[in-house]
Amino acid sequence: DIQMTQSPSSLSASVGDRVTITCRASQGISNYLAWYQQKPGKVPKLLIYAASTLQSGVPSRFSGSGSGTDFTLTISSLQPEDVATYYCQKYNSAPTFGQGTKLEIK
Amino acid sequence: QVQLVESGGGLVKPGGSLRLSCAASGFTFSDYYMSWIRQAPGKGLEWVSYISSSSSYTNYADSVKGRFTISRDNAKNSLYLQMNSLRAEDTAVYYCARAEPLTLAFDIWGQGTMVTVSS
Repeated sequence: DIQMTQSPSSLSASVGDRVTITCRASQGISNYLAWYQQKPGKVPKLLIYAASTLQSGVPSRFSGSGSGTDFTLTISSLQPEDVATYYCQKYNSAPTFGQGTKLEIK
Repeated sequence: QVQLVESGGGLVKPGGSLRLSCAASGFTFSDYYMSWIRQAPGKGLEWVSYISSSSSYTNYADSVKGRFTISRDNAKNSLYLQMNSLRAEDTAVYYCARAEPLTLAFDIWGQGTMVTVSS
């Protein structure tokens, strides 16, 4: 089974900072990768699919990149409303989520 | 608007059974793959199962294979999850989710229903 590993597990940054979260697949998954945002007490929300395609309505400060085994989610200028846990997920064959990255404001 | 509403959660004893339902509205349900995803208290997301638009294909996580059965009724715009032989580790919020047609990423999620397995 393909495993998805995110780093870091948690991160604290200041408003306006550029934030990067990494996701690594144990085997190549082409670009079959999505990113989700889950705010505290809320339902997960799809941010990015196909590794780099922004879901409709998602702010342009979010971007995704990568292919094969290494992927990144970048927030270009962190906003207070971005406090959340972020999950990567491969969606080919049996979907698998990463363990999550908890993002807080410093 | 596009909406998914889960129901059927509750408290059940180990070894017991429960059937979850998910009512879809605001989109053509029969056009989409659907899935169940769960989240144990304070933990991350775990995919459980998905079903193709016509029910011809299903897939399950190893952790539930042989115990859970996913099904759907396109005439009723409804998705189901029959859960048997429940264990304490099945305790979680269960979400139903719609799979985006081109990629199968989960683009619409319900609010979730809590399942607690405890004696």
